[in-house]
Amino acid sequence: EPEVTQTPSHQVTQMGQEVILRCVPISNHLYFYWYRQILGQKVEFLVSFYNNEISEKSEIFDDQFSVERPDGSNFTLKIRSTKLEDSAMYFCASRQAANYGYTFGSGTRLTVV
Amino acid sequence: RKEVEQDPGPFNVPEGATVAFNCTYSNSASQSFFWYRQDCRKEPKLLMSVYSSGNEDGRFTAQLNRASQYISLLIRDSKLSDSATYLCVVTTSGNTPLVFGKGTRLSVIA
Repeated sequence: EPEVTQTPSHQVTQMGQEVILRCVPISNHLYFYWYRQILGQKVEFLVSFYNNEISEKSEIFDDQFSVERPDGSNFTLKIRSTKLEDSAMYFCASRQAANYGYTFGSGTRLTVV
Repeated sequence: RKEVEQDPGPFNVPEGATVAFNCTYSNSASQSFFWYRQDCRKEPKLLMSVYSSGNEDGRFTAQLNRASQYISLLIRDSKLSDSATYLCVVTTSGNTPLVFGKGTRLSVIA
C-alpha cells in the first residue's frame, strides 16, 4: 500500500535554529498538507498546498513557517527560528483529489530545547 | 469556542463490551464527517466516514444527526486491539482543512 514518508522521525533542535521537515507524498497525489499535534492536544491544521502554491493556511502558519515542493516529489516544511512552543508532532498528509481521503505520514517529532 | 467536542475520556471497558462515543460540531456548514483512530504517538488513520443515513463497518457503526450537529461511533464486541484514541473529524466541502476533536481514549481490558 502506498505510503506518505516523513523524515526525520525525531528532530531535536535548539531554540532559534532553523529546521526543515521533509515529506514524500504518494506519487499520484495532488493535494498536500501539514498538520501538527502538540503533546496531549488535538491535531491542528497548518497549511494546504496545491498546484505549487499555498491554497490555505491557519493562524498558526505565520511568517516563521514556509512550505516548498522543490523537485516534484518532496514536500518540505521549514520553521525559520524555532521556539519552545513549536515542539510537537508534525504530520504531512496527501490526497489524490479534493474529495478523496487523506493519507497521513507517520510524523516527525520536533523537540525544541 | 471549540469547533469539535468529544466525550471526555478515558473509557476503560472489558473485552466484549459495547462502547459508544459522541461528538458535536459547531460549524453548521460542515459537510463531511469522519472517525479516525490514533494510536499513541502515531499518525491518525481513517476508521470510517460517516454518512447521513448511518453506516456500519463490521463491529463499528457511525451515526450522524445534522439537525443536532451530533455524530456517534458505536463499537461492539470490543477487542484489546481497539485500544486507541478515537478522533471525531469534520470538514466543509472541497479542499477545506480537516477539523479534529481532541479525541476520546479507549482502553479495552482483558
